[in-house]
Amino acid sequence: AQSVTQPDIHITVSEGASLELRCNYSYGATPYLFWYVQSPGQGLQLLLKYFSGDTLVQGIKGFEAEFKRSQSSFNLRKPSVHWSDAAEYFCAVATGSSNTGKLIFGQGTTLQVKP
Amino acid sequence: DTAVSQTPKYLVTQMGNDKSIKCEQNLGHDTMYWYKQDSKKFLKIMFSYNNKELIINETVPNRFSPKSPDKAHLNLHINSLELGDSAVYFCASSAQGNYGYTFGSGTRLTVV
Repeated sequence: AQSVTQPDIHITVSEGASLELRCNYSYGATPYLFWYVQSPGQGLQLLLKYFSGDTLVQGIKGFEAEFKRSQSSFNLRKPSVHWSDAAEYFCAVATGSSNTGKLIFGQGTTLQVKP
Repeated sequence: DTAVSQTPKYLVTQMGNDKSIKCEQNLGHDTMYWYKQDSKKFLKIMFSYNNKELIINETVPNRFSPKSPDKAHLNLHINSLELGDSAVYFCASSAQGNYGYTFGSGTRLTVV
């Protein structure tokens, strides 16, 4: 069965430091992968997605993610974290077609940013 | 203009009551979804509709009944509410051939 694992439930980084959030997936075919961010009391906003091609994808707000098939990973990175990045981050994999499928989410990683 | 709007944003109700949550999208998307986020922030799909047709119906109690009067609207009706139904319910939509969901801001349901 398809699944997504985010090993880190909670991460704290200092403002200005680099960030890497881990995501591992289990999926038989070539996965469609996503990172979403959820600010407190808000819905989820798409940061970036990987469908095919270049394994390093750029997203909004200065985020990037790298797809590594050999490691079944899709880790999210940002070179310098801002206090406004404090939020919940979700990795997801798409299953089925775009009309009949669904997104399966990981458990989420809470990012805390220290001043 | 809000792309995916849900009402109400907060809903507090007693056990046994029946309630509805409404969702509307103005993006012209073909597919709409209901996701449930539990207290541990885990997100799980409940239902999806494509052009008013039910596509996904996960293992959800029969007390939950989605209704899609047209492809821009997907409502969720819940009968006989239970304490365990307390959660945040998110509506989302996606375009044909595009997995990039647009989410609403959620409805926090509290059953007391």
